[in-house]
Amino acid sequence: DAMVIQNPRYQVTQFGKPVTLSCSQTLNHNVMYWYQQKSSQAPKLLFHYYDKDFNNEADTPDNFQSRRPNTSFCFLDIRSPGLGDAAMYLCAPQNTEAFFGQGTRLTVV
Amino acid sequence: EDQVTQSPEALRLQEGESSSLNCSYTVSGLRGLFWYRQDPGKGPEFLFTLYSAGEEKEKERLKATLTKKESFLHITAPKPEDSATYLCAVQAGGGATNKLIFGTGTLLAVQP
Repeated sequence: DAMVIQNPRYQVTQFGKPVTLSCSQTLNHNVMYWYQQKSSQAPKLLFHYYDKDFNNEADTPDNFQSRRPNTSFCFLDIRSPGLGDAAMYLCAPQNTEAFFGQGTRLTVV
Repeated sequence: EDQVTQSPEALRLQEGESSSLNCSYTVSGLRGLFWYRQDPGKGPEFLFTLYSAGEEKEKERLKATLTKKESFLHITAPKPEDSATYLCAVQAGGGATNKLIFGTGTLLAVQP
């Protein structure tokens, strides 16, 4: 059974149209990471949570926001997607090991 | 600055031809080194975590080793289904939350 589920697997959005990506986990890990991975590049950390404490990376644009209503669910909101935001978005709850979801492939048209 | 470098960028092997992938790192206070396999269009699949120099872990045809400066992922008698990108990541520092710093990966192609 999948421990980390991301929805949707594929998302197409229009330039500037807000979009929300979701991540759910059954691991009950306090720490949750969100990564952005562009084609043929390493995953890049956007931000992370420790419980409900939100920690943004210094170079993450304000265009990216997040919500974590409880341990099980976490959301990535992209307020005004640009063409440069097209990427795979990965969430990873972490304890001693970090298990990734299957990712959401975002296309901006 | 914490840094992870993987080599080679790409590797092509014949089925059964054993080889090793390298992950060298420069971090302040290593907490763990992670290996992942990533297939196209999918999220990274966890393989191993290594915590201290000298540690080794095995899974099927894969064996990961760790020294104070680098890690190797040894692939013994690879099969075409081992073809994927292999990512290495390190977790460093002493805080309560420690992000994974990734290398850019090694793209492995195993030909039948």
